[in-house]
Amino acid sequence: DAGVTQSPTHLIKTRGQQVTLRCSPISGHKSVSWYQQVLGQGPQFIFQYYEKEERGRGNFPDRFSARQFPNYSSELNVNALLLGDSALYLCASSWAGGTYEQYFGPGTRLTVT
Amino acid sequence: AQKVTQAQTEISVVEKEDVTLDCVYETRDTTYYLFWYKQPPSGELVFLIRRNSFDEQNEISGRYSWNFQKSTSSFNFTITASQVVDSAVYFCALSEGFTGNQFYFGTGTSLTVIP
Repeated sequence: DAGVTQSPTHLIKTRGQQVTLRCSPISGHKSVSWYQQVLGQGPQFIFQYYEKEERGRGNFPDRFSARQFPNYSSELNVNALLLGDSALYLCASSWAGGTYEQYFGPGTRLTVT
Repeated sequence: AQKVTQAQTEISVVEKEDVTLDCVYETRDTTYYLFWYKQPPSGELVFLIRRNSFDEQNEISGRYSWNFQKSTSSFNFTITASQVVDSAVYFCALSEGFTGNQFYFGTGTSLTVIP
């Protein structure tokens, strides 16, 4: 079975631009979570979605938004990019939310210049 | 305050030595879940174990073992007879509440196993 897939792999954007990152969960998984990982640090929780509804939100500004589609795939949008948004963005899927083990994708490396 | 503290930033051991990675967590919830993940140099996080707050039994899986102690809010991870392939960054994580809609990772411990 395919694991969690994310696209694109790498992305370079300019300050002020907007970016959309995509994630497809493992087949049968209904929950997707997004994390930001800055080099040398642990992943920081951004959002959790379950059955297309937002179930949890971390301490990130409103420039960050996400949604989950009927097929359980998800998009993370970041508006008005700042240099500090440069990071690895990880998507994780689980059967039913944060109490279950999460399986991570390879991530999208975002560089903001 | 950090919800999950991994005080050991970097550890180096010689192959075949045992090594313990420490994890201390903080939560007011009575229902919570603890996890360990491995992030090898390739970068993709790999799930190792999940433990709920009502199950304090220690667990062993091959060379890996976990010690969960609610009295000290710790969930430590021991690798027995370490191997070079164990070299990675290990993260402890906490999921709070019945629905686990908030998730916290520690800062990670970088383990290097020297051949």
